[in-house]
Amino acid sequence: AQTVTQSQPEMSVQEAETVTLSCTYDTSENNYYLFWYKQPPSRQMILVIRQEAYKQQNATENRFSVNFQKAAKSFSLKISDSQLGDTAMYFCAFMKFFKIIFGKGTRLHILP
Amino acid sequence: KAGVTQTPRYLIKTRGQQVTLSCSPISGHRSVSWYQQTPGQGLQFLFEYFSETQRNKGNFPGRFSGRQFSNSRSEMNVSTLELGDSALYLCASSFSSVGARNTGELFFGEGSRLTVL
Repeated sequence: AQTVTQSQPEMSVQEAETVTLSCTYDTSENNYYLFWYKQPPSRQMILVIRQEAYKQQNATENRFSVNFQKAAKSFSLKISDSQLGDTAMYFCAFMKFFKIIFGKGTRLHILP
Repeated sequence: KAGVTQTPRYLIKTRGQQVTLSCSPISGHRSVSWYQQTPGQGLQFLFEYFSETQRNKGNFPGRFSGRQFSNSRSEMNVSTLELGDSALYLCASSFSSVGARNTGELFFGEGSRLTVL
């Protein structure tokens, strides 16, 4: 069975700094999707970034980028020039055959 | 374009009762999935429906059930409620079809917060 592990339950960084959130997963599948979702306080969960396992190139979305290491089964999220609005719970997720497994989440605080 | 709508947003039930939660997906989305979110267990996958058929399910007891209607709206039902069923129940929709439009992205509703007393 697939598992997703986020080893950092909570993190705090100063505004404008760069922060990296860790995620590892376990699967025997070769093709799958990986995602980072963001859940701001009392707001809807939204997609931050996605990666298709067959693509070697790391996905980027503006200030957000991932370091995808397929062999190591690692999928970390880097947030550059962090902003107060980045304060949220971040979930790493693995998806295969329309079933998605989430990690327990990392609560990220951006400090002014 | 309207987002994913979940009703009711908040509800309080007592042990032994049953509850039905509703989810209206984004127009054009045919896949609806349900998740239970608790502080201790995080986000756990309940089940996923596409064109009125359950395609996948998580590891929850049979008290948790769902269905999808022909207009893609979905309901989930929890019978014989237990204190441990208190949680935020999230619904998500996606396009979920073969082809370029299938990005795998889920669009979440705001959730239904269930409290069992």
